[in-house]
Amino acid sequence: QVQLQESGPGLVKPSETLSLTCTVSGGSVSSGSYYWSWIRQPPGKGLEWIGYIYYSGSTNYNPSLKSRVTISVDTSKNQFSLKLSSVTAADTAVYYCARVMWSPCSGGSCYSLDYWGQGTLVTVSS
Amino acid sequence: EIVMTQSPATLSVSPGERATLSCRASQSVSSNLAWYQQKPGQAPRLLIYGASTRATGIPARFSGSGSGTEFTLTISSLQSEDFAVYYCQQYNNWPPGLTFGGGTKVEIK
Repeated sequence: QVQLQESGPGLVKPSETLSLTCTVSGGSVSSGSYYWSWIRQPPGKGLEWIGYIYYSGSTNYNPSLKSRVTISVDTSKNQFSLKLSSVTAADTAVYYCARVMWSPCSGGSCYSLDYWGQGTLVTVSS
Repeated sequence: EIVMTQSPATLSVSPGERATLSCRASQSVSSNLAWYQQKPGQAPRLLIYGASTRATGIPARFSGSGSGTEFTLTISSLQSEDFAVYYCQQYNNWPPGLTFGGGTKVEIK
C-alpha cells in the first residue's frame, strides 16, 4: 500500500519561502509509471494544483504559481519537495502531496491522483 | 486555460435517494476527467478516472459518465458515508496540468 506523508513548518512569515517534503513509502518515486504532485486547499475553499515532477526531474507547474514554485525529487530518500517563494497570507492552505496515475483513455492518456498524503496546514503570518 | 464548472454548488438529498452531480468543461477534455470525494478533515479520495472507470475499492453505487465537455457523477442510493464534497478534475495536454472544479457539497436533506 502506497503511503505519502507531508512534513515541514506549519508557520511561515510573509515574504519568506515555504518548504515542504513528501516522503513516499510502499512505492518508489523512481517508478517511471507515475508523476508526483503537490496540491493545496485554502481553508474552506476548493483544490488548486501546484505542479508535478517526474523521477527524471522533469516538471510542470500551474502557470499562476510558476514564477514562485520549485518542485524537486530525491530518489535516494524516496522523497519529493516543494518550495514556494515570496509567500503572502493568500498562500495559507492545507498542502497535499499526491501520486499522479496515468491510464489509457480515448484521445491518449488520462491523469488522476490516486494516492494522497493526509495534508499539512501551512499558515503564513508574522 | 480550461475552466471546470460544477453544479449545483450544494445538493440536498435524502439517504437512499439518487444523487446526480454535473461537471462542465469550457472546452473538450475528451474523457480525461476524474472525480474525487472529500470528507471534512480528510484528503480527497479518487472515485472515478477516465470519466467512467471506478478506482480500486470504490462501491458500484458510484458511476461516472460523459465525454467532451459534459460529465456526470451519479450515486445511485446515497449512504450516510457519502455525504461529502465532490470535485471533478481534468488534465490538459497543453499547457500540461491539472484543473479542478469548484466542488459540489452533498448534504443530508
